[in-house]
Amino acid sequence: EAQVTQNPRYLITVTGKKLTVTCSQNMNHEYMSWYRQDPGLGLRQIYYSMNVEVTDKGDVPEGYKVSRKEKRNFPLILESPSPNQTSLYFCASSLAFEGDIQYFGAGTRLSVL
Amino acid sequence: QKEVEQNSGPLSVPEGAIASLNCTYSDRVSQSFFWYRQYSGKSPELIMSIYSNGDKEDGRFTAQLNKASQYVSLLIRDSQPSDSATYLCAAIIIQGAQKLVFGQGTRLTINP
Repeated sequence: EAQVTQNPRYLITVTGKKLTVTCSQNMNHEYMSWYRQDPGLGLRQIYYSMNVEVTDKGDVPEGYKVSRKEKRNFPLILESPSPNQTSLYFCASSLAFEGDIQYFGAGTRLSVL
Repeated sequence: QKEVEQNSGPLSVPEGAIASLNCTYSDRVSQSFFWYRQYSGKSPELIMSIYSNGDKEDGRFTAQLNKASQYVSLLIRDSQPSDSATYLCAAIIIQGAQKLVFGQGTRLTINP
C-alpha cells in the first residue's frame, strides 16, 4: 500500500530537549516536504527536498533542521524545541515536484512544555 | 495580500443542498490550483485539481477557475454529512522554484 509514514503520532516534550520526527514514503517519490498546521494559519511549509541531499527552506524554517540521506526518508529535527513549536506537523511527498499530488502522512501532534 | 485566501467559516449547509467554497489568489500565483479535504484530526487529501479557466467536474464535485477575477471555487452538489470537513485551497506560485501555498481552510458542516 502506497503511504507516507510519520512517527511518532503524538509527542509531549519539554523545552530544549532535542527530538526527531521521522517520515518515510514507499512510493519512490523524489519530492518531500514538512508542514506545520496551526489554527487560523493553514498549512505552512517548513522545509522541502527535491531529491537526495537536496533540501531547502520553506516559509517557516527557524528552529528546524532536516536531512535527506535516502530517497524514502526525510526526518524533521528540532534541536532545541520551544513552546511556539507546539503544532500539528505533516510530512508530504509527491512524485517529482511540488505541483504533483501531495500525499500526506497521518500527522504528528507535538506539545512542547 | 496573502497568495491564497479563504473564508475560514464555519459554513453550514443543509443536507442535499449545494455547498460553495471560494478561494481568491494573488498575482504571484501561477495556473495550478488544488482543493484538499481534511477531516478533523486527519491529514489532507486531494479531491480536485484545476489548471485551466472554466469548470471541471468529478462526481458531485465541481471546481471552477476564473482567472480574470482571480478566484477558484469548489461546489459540492447533493451535500452529505460525510462532506463535513475543512477544505483547503492550494495553488502554485513561482518563486524561483515552484512553491505550493495553502489557504487557511474553510470549515464546512453539512446539517442533516
